[in-house]
Amino acid sequence: QSVLTQPPSASGTPGQRVTISCTGSSSNIGSNTVNWYQQLPGTAPKVLIYSDNQRPSGVPDRFSGSKSGTSASLAISGLQSEDEADYYCEALDDSLNGPVFGGGTKLTVL
Amino acid sequence: QVQLVQSGAEVKKPGSSVKVSCKASGGTFSSYSFSWVRQAPGQGLEWMGRIIPLLDITTYAQKFHGRVTITADKSTTTVYMEVSSLTSEDMAVYYCARDSGTYSGSYRTNWGQGTLVTVSS
Repeated sequence: QSVLTQPPSASGTPGQRVTISCTGSSSNIGSNTVNWYQQLPGTAPKVLIYSDNQRPSGVPDRFSGSKSGTSASLAISGLQSEDEADYYCEALDDSLNGPVFGGGTKLTVL
Repeated sequence: QVQLVQSGAEVKKPGSSVKVSCKASGGTFSSYSFSWVRQAPGQGLEWMGRIIPLLDITTYAQKFHGRVTITADKSTTTVYMEVSSLTSEDMAVYYCARDSGTYSGSYRTNWGQGTLVTVSS
């Protein structure tokens, strides 16, 4: 049981816009920034979004992050086949004294 | 370009210990913290703990406190993670990652390739 809650799956067709939600509480998302990671099959995770809505250099602007209260969202516009991956949200949890992850969302491009 | 190269796959018996290494290159080793994150087969990511090599300060997730030891060797820019009293529930891919800073709210900027630890009698 993950501290942050994500839908287990999401899907979309090429060119579509999809969003993935991440729900937490006042001790994590409600008081700290959220990061998002992409994990392609068989590879290590890679940071996609940090500090709620910042993109590292090299990450396409098709990826965007937002946060409101104790929930955060990752949006992917102009969906491409190479976006098929697992996506994880992460936030520091003040009561656990360390970062916690969501359970992950498997994105399928139909 | 920061690169993290981890040691190879391990097969361990229940009750034993495993030590995984992570060699960092291409960046300033001591100015950041390094985290360990594990992923059980078909499961999500789980943060285990981190170390700030400059200060030799470690922080562990409550779940792993007392069973996991993270150390760093500044002379070889290598971070180590040891798990003791292994059970089948410790079977996972273990990743080291460099954090964006030394503060607790930092994120994981670079990841190693992962080390598969199999626990089997």
